[in-house]
Amino acid sequence: GQSLEQPSEVTAVEGAIVQINCTYQTSGFYGLSWYQQHDGGAPTFLSYNALDGLEETGRFSSFLSRSDSYGYLLLQELQMKDSASYFCAVSPPDSGGYQKVTFGTGTKLQVIP
Amino acid sequence: GAVVSQHPSWVICKSGTSVKIECRSLDFQATTMFWYRQFPKQSLMLMATSNEGSKATYEQGVEKDKFLINHASLTLSTLTVTSAHPEDSSFYICSARPGQGDSQPQHFGDGTRLSIL
Repeated sequence: GQSLEQPSEVTAVEGAIVQINCTYQTSGFYGLSWYQQHDGGAPTFLSYNALDGLEETGRFSSFLSRSDSYGYLLLQELQMKDSASYFCAVSPPDSGGYQKVTFGTGTKLQVIP
Repeated sequence: GAVVSQHPSWVICKSGTSVKIECRSLDFQATTMFWYRQFPKQSLMLMATSNEGSKATYEQGVEKDKFLINHASLTLSTLTVTSAHPEDSSFYICSARPGQGDSQPQHFGDGTRLSIL
């Protein structure tokens, strides 16, 4: 099975940098994705790591270390609009080719002035 | 970019009513779509994989007779919550991938908030 654990809540100051961690126990996966979800809204894709290392997309960066079963999402220059829930996610290779996604427990980020 | 449309966005109905939710891929064909349920302050839980032209694949613990899925075309999947009860109240979200490969992100509908009185 798949298990992806995240801190439930994180608070950070506007303009600062915040790191949201994702630790997982899984038999294997193709890559680690990150999604953002505002209250009452749909999740939107942020980043994807197929290989170990850092992927940078604007203010957002994501990191993966398969040897440590660990990944994180880094948000820089925090803005108030970044207040949302963030989910890591994987597609297990045993998903029968349907590419279904298992989501982490989610982290609610609150950005304060 | 790829767009997934979900309708209705909000449903309030009496216990015992059946509710149909539609999920459409507007600018791409989707042989596979996914249905999730999300309770307040919780993560998205995959309910089932909807397969065009064949039966849906349900996750463990999800009643297939309770949550009927039909994927009759390459752009439309429907989820029907039959004889809904208050415990079925939740946020239901569909998703689809516009292309092949794990690096292709899931695109989500805006969700349907279902409230059963």
